[in-house]
Amino acid sequence: SQQGEEDPQALSIQEGENATMNCSYKTSINNLQWYRQNSGRGLVHLILIRSNEREKHSGRLRVTLDTSKKSSSLLITASRAADTASYFCATGGGSNYKLTFGKGTLLTVNP
Amino acid sequence: DGGITQSPKYLFRKEGQNVTLSCEQNLNHDAMYWYRQDPGQGLRLIYYSQIVNDFQKGDIAEGYSVSREKKESFPLTVTSAQKNPTAFYLCASSTGPSGYGYTFGSGTRLTVV
Repeated sequence: SQQGEEDPQALSIQEGENATMNCSYKTSINNLQWYRQNSGRGLVHLILIRSNEREKHSGRLRVTLDTSKKSSSLLITASRAADTASYFCATGGGSNYKLTFGKGTLLTVNP
Repeated sequence: DGGITQSPKYLFRKEGQNVTLSCEQNLNHDAMYWYRQDPGQGLRLIYYSQIVNDFQKGDIAEGYSVSREKKESFPLTVTSAQKNPTAFYLCASSTGPSGYGYTFGSGTRLTVV
């Protein structure tokens, strides 16, 4: 079963705008991760946030985690055409080896 | 450069045939994984291995088999028992449990002809 559900399923914005994607999950987690996938390629790990963290930054990426609402958001600031990709959230239980992925948000950044 | 190599990039299978997808990593990662991705869908876990000579079924293991004889290698066999094998297959590895980021290969697209 898939734990994370991203919202929206698709997002289209202009270059320079910010993009926000959301992820909701159902059970308690140890950490939540965001990945990026360019069309027809493998996934690339972007950022990991642990359950005791509320916010994390990496370059133009900002991730928040609200464990009380079982939700996370990924903000990409000052988007570029090269940010066009699918973005997936994934949840992990910590000591187990199973990382569960959502269905992803397809982000299109128009030049 | 360290990474994961999946081969082949494209694979065509006839009905009733077994095919094997290769996954090799030189990252010295203990754990390796196989995921299946269907169009517009997320990733579903087929098998994973925490250590050499050990592996566990994921959520959709039926019709698939794996081996982990070497730390670097985790091949996936899609057997004739898998009724709908056309999909994009992704191999990944990590240093430890799911609290670590995964490194993915570039995928193998399998098509039944």
